[in-house]
Amino acid sequence: SQKIEQNSEALNIQEGKTATLTCNYTNYSPAYLQWYRQDPGRGPVFLLLIRENEKEKRKERLKVTFDTTLKQSLFHITASQPADSATYLCALDRGSNDYKLSFGAGTTVTVRA
Amino acid sequence: DVKVTQSSRYLVKRTGEKVFLECVQDMDHENMFWYRQDPGLGLRLIYFSYDVKMKEKGDIPEGYSVSREKKERFSLILESASTNQTSMYLCASSSGGFYGYTFGSGTRLTVV
Repeated sequence: SQKIEQNSEALNIQEGKTATLTCNYTNYSPAYLQWYRQDPGRGPVFLLLIRENEKEKRKERLKVTFDTTLKQSLFHITASQPADSATYLCALDRGSNDYKLSFGAGTTVTVRA
Repeated sequence: DVKVTQSSRYLVKRTGEKVFLECVQDMDHENMFWYRQDPGLGLRLIYFSYDVKMKEKGDIPEGYSVSREKKERFSLILESASTNQTSMYLCASSSGGFYGYTFGSGTRLTVV
């Protein structure tokens, strides 16, 4: 069956360090992968999209990699700040021109000052 | 600022009631979606719509129906609410396959 797995445990890091989150998937052949941020009690907010033919994408302090051989995406927050504390969700399309998104359960990041 | 607006942030309903969750977007998007989010399970797709009056079942449609009479509005209907439908409900819209979704703030529904 199709599965999306993110870091199962919450991530606690010191301000200024780099947070690295993992998204692994099985039985998908996505055309792209997306990352979202979700604050408590709010809806997810779109951050980045990376296509299957892109290895890496950056947006300000965020960096995403996508390895379709390993079926894995890594999401990095560099120079982390307490304001980066949130839950981060990965999402991918279902392939074969089915662009509906399936989501992982998310990884909660807490950045300590 | 583009928006997806969900009519209620919190709702408490009784078992057996018919419940309407409303969602409106102002971005002229064709695609609209309803997800529910439960701890440890992530977001699960209930229904989606690619056009006015068009709807398709998602992964967990049982106990739900939808209505899309106008492009900007997508309603989720719980025909007879049950306690296992207690959840956070999220509406989203998008303009197409290679674009991110814009989500509403969510409706936390409690069925007692």
